[in-house]
Order: sequence, then C-alpha cells, then structure tokens
Amino acid sequence: DTAVSQTPKYLVTQMGNDKSIKCEQNLGHDTMYWYKQDSKKFLKIMFSYNNKELIINETVPNRFSPKSPDKAHLNLHINSLELGDSAVYFCASSQTSGRVEQYFGPGTRLTVT
Amino acid sequence: AQSVTQLDSQVPVFEEAPVELRCNYSSSVSVYLFWYVQYPNQGLQLLLKYLSGSTLVKGINGFEAEFNKSQTSFHLRKPSVHISDTAEYFCAVTGTSGTYKYIFGTGTRLKVLA
Repeated sequence: DTAVSQTPKYLVTQMGNDKSIKCEQNLGHDTMYWYKQDSKKFLKIMFSYNNKELIINETVPNRFSPKSPDKAHLNLHINSLELGDSAVYFCASSQTSGRVEQYFGPGTRLTVT
Repeated sequence: AQSVTQLDSQVPVFEEAPVELRCNYSSSVSVYLFWYVQYPNQGLQLLLKYLSGSTLVKGINGFEAEFNKSQTSFHLRKPSVHISDTAEYFCAVTGTSGTYKYIFGTGTRLKVLA
C-alpha cells in the first residue's frame, strides 16, 4: 500500500488554465504539507495543515489554494497557471506538526506551456 | 529562524570509496536535524534524524551522521558507497518548538562512479 499518494504524476497544461493536484495519505497522520521543488532541486514549503487547519502559509501567490476535506487528504488548486509554476510538487505528511520525520509522496511534475 | 547550507552541489566518488556530504545549519534555538535522499523521479525518503541523545546517528543503507553543536554541523558519511547510492541528498532542520517548519538545504548530488 502506498503511504502518500499523489495524482496526477504528470500534468502538462497551458498558461491561464486552472488545475488541481490531489494528495492522500493512509498513515493516520494529522499533519500534511505541500512543497515545491524547482528545476534546481530547491525544495520549499508552501503550506501545512494540521487536522484540517492551516498552520503554515508561506509567501505563495493567491492563485494557489490548498484544501483539506479531512485529515487524510490535502489538495492543491492552482488558478491562472503561469510559466513559473512549472515545477515538481510534493505532498508530505507527519504524525505531529514538525519534529518527527515527514513522509513524501512521489511528486507531481507540472509543466506549463 | 533557521537556515541550512550544503556546500557541495555535486560529489563524485568511486564505488567502494568513503564519502562525506557536508551540512551546516544556523539557528537561534535548539534544532532537530534530518537527512533525506531523493532517487531519480521519486519523492524524498528519510535516511536518518537527530532529535536528542547520542550525537552519532545511524540511518538506513549504512549511512551515519554526526551532530556537532559547536560547529553547527550535521555531516553525512558512508564508509563504502555503491552505485545504487547515486541520488540527491538533502539536509533539513527544524526548530524544537513553534510551527516546526522544515528548512531544506539546496541538496548535494552524489554520483557514484564504477
């Protein structure tokens, strides 16, 4: 069984479109995260939810909106996609907020043309 | 706030040779430290973590790291690498209180040569 899964794995779309990435974890964790990894492999946190409550919201454009319907799911919706949004987006989860290790999904490679 | 510096962007090493990947951090508070590995086209996987206690931490796949508080370092070592260790390695830090936001280093690409 996959611990943290993301769909889709690849996403190719045009500028201006709206797209969503879904994440699910079956580990029973109460905290979930979204990270963005750019072309230089730099990994930066975007959002974190703890028990469906937003606890970390980095300086991310308003076009990005996370939604957590329950503590096992954290989706990322992106409006009006731009070329600079092209990256790999990783979902992760942990048992508590922070200190213990985070479990990462396989990533979603988003390409905006 | 914390920051992490991985000085080496790439480290080439021959198979069965030892390797050290360097990580230095900066923080005004106590920290927890982690090393993650990312194989091509995959997510990150935890190698090892330092939370407290012994400063020498052993992880998976024969890796170990030593926490040095005075030098604010957490270098990763392996005495003998394999081709399969070729991957991107990330050092990460988080404070021991607050929102526990992880700060990742820029990564070190380990390339093991035959």
